[in-house]
Amino acid sequence: GENVEQHPSTLSVQEGDSAVIKCTYSDSASNYFPWYKQELGKRPQLIIDIRSNVGEKKDQRIAVTLNKTAKHFSLHITETQPEDSAVYFCAASSADRGSTLGRLYFGRGTQLTVWP
Amino acid sequence: DGGITQSPKYLFRKEGQNVTLSCEQNLNHDAMYWYRQDPGQGLRLIYYSQIVNDFQKGDIAEGYSVSREKKESFPLTVTSAQKNPTAFYLCASSLQGAQWGPQHFGDGTRLSIL
Repeated sequence: GENVEQHPSTLSVQEGDSAVIKCTYSDSASNYFPWYKQELGKRPQLIIDIRSNVGEKKDQRIAVTLNKTAKHFSLHITETQPEDSAVYFCAASSADRGSTLGRLYFGRGTQLTVWP
Repeated sequence: DGGITQSPKYLFRKEGQNVTLSCEQNLNHDAMYWYRQDPGQGLRLIYYSQIVNDFQKGDIAEGYSVSREKKESFPLTVTSAQKNPTAFYLCASSLQGAQWGPQHFGDGTRLSIL
């Protein structure tokens, strides 16, 4: 099945700086890549997603880039604010061997801390 | 999302006891999922279902069981065979399969052993 690696596991930045989180995946058939933000004790919430036919997507201070050849995708947060502090998860969608059912494979998460 | 309701919020299990976690959605989504979250381990898939009366094992299905008798409901039973059940359990749903669009999560159930 798919294997998603996420780095770094922790990231500390000063307010106003940029933050970048990187993920790699193994299955070239994966075609959908969402990013989730999870605050302590709360549910994961989708912040941005990208499909395999697109190289970059932007939503205000958040952007995601995808390199299909290298099988990696990254989350970029500009002008970080203390409320951006949370755990961020990347994921890739793939189907298990012998199945047409899609499922998400998650990275292990990045704890982002933004210092005021 | 207000459309996915998990209950209870906290649950305690005694030795040898089966417990059932509830997940209901009113989003008219076809697919539903159960994840287990442990500190530092991300989200691990337990079971998922794309249609009523059909479900698939995820990566850590041992010691768990599910049913999908109605489109809006996907309860998870943690059996006594699951020796380390303490974790945060998240239910999610998506309009179609995971490769077509985002999953929306409930608020979770925190399960502990008494």
